[in-house]
Amino acid sequence: AQSVTQLGSHVSVSEGALVLLRCNYSSSVPPYLFWYVQYPNQGLQLLLKYTTGATLVKGINGFEAEFKKSETSFHLTKPSAHMSDAAEYFCAVRRGGGSQGNLIFGKGTKLSVKP
Amino acid sequence: GAVVSQHPSWVICKSGTSVKIECRSLDFQATTMFWYRQFPKQSLMLMATSNEGSKATYEQGVEKDKFLINHASLTLSTLTVTSAHPEDSSFYICSASPTDRLHYEQYFGPGTRLTVT
Repeated sequence: AQSVTQLGSHVSVSEGALVLLRCNYSSSVPPYLFWYVQYPNQGLQLLLKYTTGATLVKGINGFEAEFKKSETSFHLTKPSAHMSDAAEYFCAVRRGGGSQGNLIFGKGTKLSVKP
Repeated sequence: GAVVSQHPSWVICKSGTSVKIECRSLDFQATTMFWYRQFPKQSLMLMATSNEGSKATYEQGVEKDKFLINHASLTLSTLTVTSAHPEDSSFYICSASPTDRLHYEQYFGPGTRLTVT
């Protein structure tokens, strides 16, 4: 079975500081991993995804994540936080394999950015 | 591209009534759409997978007679909450997977806030 654990339900950083949001996964098939961002009262927007190939994945808005199989991790980082980054972030893993695999979401991490 | 809309964006209804939520893929065809429910400060929980022209597949614990899903075309899926109760109040989000893509490639709608009084 697949599952996702996001460490820290709330992370607070100062503007300009490093953003690190942690995600660990469990998967019985080669994992496909995703990070989504959700602004208040809105749907989800895909930040980045890892399927195969390069383990360092770059996404939108300056975010990137590194797939580390040995650590079963897919942490999201951004070198310098901006006020507009304040939002809820969800890590997700493909459920099952093949084309029918759906997504399983972590509980989310709320990112606050202090001026 | 890959825009998904939902209507209404918010709705208030009285207990015992039914509410229909529409999910549309605006610039692509989607054989498969998904319906999620999100409680305050919690993650998304998949309710059901909607396939065009066939019956929806519901997740364990989701009442299919209460949450009616219809996927009548390649661009429209509807979720009807029947005989709504206050505990059905939630944020409902749909997503759509383009016909030529794999199911984990989903585009999300903006969500519908349902409040049952």
